[in-house]
Amino acid sequence: ETGVTQTPRHLVMGMTNKKSLKCEQHLGHNAMYWYKQSAKKPLELMFVYSLEERVENNSVPSRFSPECPNSSHLFLHLHTLQPEDSALYLCASSQRPLGTGEVEQYFGPGTRLTVT
Amino acid sequence: GDSVTQMEGPVTLSEEAFLTINCTYTATGYPSLFWYVQYPGEGLQLLLKATKADDKGSNKGFEATYRKETTSFHLEKGSVQVSDSAVYFCALWMDSSYKLIFGSGTRLLVRP
Repeated sequence: ETGVTQTPRHLVMGMTNKKSLKCEQHLGHNAMYWYKQSAKKPLELMFVYSLEERVENNSVPSRFSPECPNSSHLFLHLHTLQPEDSALYLCASSQRPLGTGEVEQYFGPGTRLTVT
Repeated sequence: GDSVTQMEGPVTLSEEAFLTINCTYTATGYPSLFWYVQYPGEGLQLLLKATKADDKGSNKGFEATYRKETTSFHLEKGSVQVSDSAVYFCALWMDSSYKLIFGSGTRLLVRP
C-alpha cells in the first residue's frame, strides 16, 4: 500500500450505532488530519494530530471522537450521529508544519458516510 | 478571518478550450497558496502551489500566479481535456498554523 488509505470506503449506519473510520498513511509523515466534505460547502477541518498529540479541535461535536495511536494511524469513532453528519470524511497527512509554508497535505480517498 | 473565495461552478467547456477558474483570498499575513484537484470517487490531490508573491505554480499544463496586489491565485490551462473534468479547490496555508483553508470548490466539466 502506498499513500494514504481509508477504510471503509462506504458506511451506512443508524443513529444509535457505533462505528469507526480508519486512516493509515505510508508516507512517513508525522501530522494527520480529519476533514468533513459536505455537498456545496467548503471542506471543514475537524481534527489535527501532530506527533500523536491533538493540536486542533475545530468545535466538533462530541459524537465524533478521534484517536491517534501512532503517527501512521488515525481513527474517527462515531457514536449517536445525526442525519446531517452524512458526508465524505477525508483523512490527510503531512510533515509537521515548521512555519516555512512548505507543507503539502496528502489525502486519502475518503469514507462516504450515510446516517439513516 | 482568513478565507478563500472561488467562482461557482459548474464550468462547462469543450475540449481544447481555454480554462480560467478564479480564486481570491483574504489573509492577515502572507499565506502559501495551493490548488487541489478531486477526481470522481477520489480524495484531493495537490495540483500546484506558490509560496510567495509573483511565484508561478505549474503542473500538467495548469498554471497559477500568486498576485499579492489583487490577492488572487487564478487557475489557468491553455487547452483542457476531457480527463481534466474534476472539482478544483483553491486553498491557503498560514505559517505557524496547521490550518489549510479551502474554497468551496469549482466543478469543471469538459465535453468532447
